[in-house]
Amino acid sequence: AQSVTQPDIHITVSEGASLELRCNYSYGATPYLFWYVQSPGQGLQLLLKYFSGDTLVQGIKGFEAEFKRSQSSFNLRKPSVHWSDAAEYVCAVGASQGAQKLVFGQGTRLTINP
Amino acid sequence: GAGVSQTPSNKVTEKGKYVELRCDPISGHTALYWYRQSLGQGPEFLIYFQGTGAADDSGLPNDRFFAVRPEGSVSTLKIQRTERGDSAVYLCASSSDRGLNIQYFGAGTRLSVL
Repeated sequence: AQSVTQPDIHITVSEGASLELRCNYSYGATPYLFWYVQSPGQGLQLLLKYFSGDTLVQGIKGFEAEFKRSQSSFNLRKPSVHWSDAAEYVCAVGASQGAQKLVFGQGTRLTINP
Repeated sequence: GAGVSQTPSNKVTEKGKYVELRCDPISGHTALYWYRQSLGQGPEFLIYFQGTGAADDSGLPNDRFFAVRPEGSVSTLKIQRTERGDSAVYLCASSSDRGLNIQYFGAGTRLSVL
């Protein structure tokens, strides 16, 4: 069965500090992986995606993620967080081609200390 | 161009009532998805349409939930005899059925059943 686990429900970091949010997945085929960000009252905005090729992918807002097949992980990173990065971050797995449902993790809420 | 539009943004109803939630996808997107996000959880898949037909409705929790997309564009999610447990944010997404499966989300409808 397909599943996504985000072990950290809530993370607090100081502004300017580095960030890593964890995502582990279980998927029967080659996984195609996504990170979305969700701010209060807003929908999910795509941060980045991995389909194939280079396992380190760059996204918007200075985020990057690394696909590690051996660890079934797709962790999200940012070298220096800004107060505006406070939001909910959700990892998802699905098929890359055609129309297929996404399976989401439960999300990690990020709080930024000034 | 316009993104995915969902109306209403908030809906409060009483237990046992019928509700309809509307989704207007990105123009030209043939695939449309509905997800449900309960408090503190990631989105869970409900149903997806390819054109006018439901290609996968395996996520609908029971027969009180029904969705239509009669002209292959706007979709309506219908919930009969609402229960307090139906309270959640209902998210709609759309994607092109060609190439990569990148789903674009609306802001959601927050349903509260009293």
